[in-house]
Amino acid sequence: AQSVTQPDIHITVSEGASLELRCNYSYGATPYLFWYVQSPGQGLQLLLKYFSGDTLVQGIKGFEAEFKRSQSSFNLRKPSVHWSDAAEYFCAVGAPRGSQGNLIFGKGTKLSVKP
Amino acid sequence: EAQVTQNPRYLITVTGKKLTVTCSQNMNHEYMSWYRQDPGLGLRQIYYSMNVEVTDKGDVPEGYKVSRKEKRNFPLILESPSPNQTSLYFCASSPREKVETQYFGPGTRLLVL
Repeated sequence: AQSVTQPDIHITVSEGASLELRCNYSYGATPYLFWYVQSPGQGLQLLLKYFSGDTLVQGIKGFEAEFKRSQSSFNLRKPSVHWSDAAEYFCAVGAPRGSQGNLIFGKGTKLSVKP
Repeated sequence: EAQVTQNPRYLITVTGKKLTVTCSQNMNHEYMSWYRQDPGLGLRQIYYSMNVEVTDKGDVPEGYKVSRKEKRNFPLILESPSPNQTSLYFCASSPREKVETQYFGPGTRLLVL
């Protein structure tokens, strides 16, 4: 069965520190992978996505993620966190085109940023 | 501005009182979907629609209905809401050939007493 695991429910980092949010997936084939961010009271915003090709993908707001097939992982990173990055982050896996388009989401990682 | 809109944004109701949450997109997308978000569970798909008059169940369809009479609208209907349907609901849309990249609405927070 398809699934996405985000092992960390809540992470706190200091402003200016580096960040890595973990995501592991279980999927029968090479999936499409996504990271979304949800600021308090807001909807979901797509940070970045991986379909194929270069395994290091760049997204908006200075985020990047690396796809590692051998580890079934798609971890999100940012070299220097800003206070405005405090939000909840969701990793998701999607089926190839033509399918029902169901995105399987992880349970989310809440990021707090200390001044 | 390209967007997905949902109404209402906030709703408090009582058990058994039928309600409808509307979703509308102005991007001419064929694909539309409803998700619910619950703490510790992430987002789960309720229903989706690949085109007008074509709808299908997602992972958690029980207690919900949908219709797709027009391309731009995809209302979510709760015929007899129950407290376990208290949740945050998101509508999403995408072109049919790019269903992996979905645009999300702002969310509707529903409380069923």
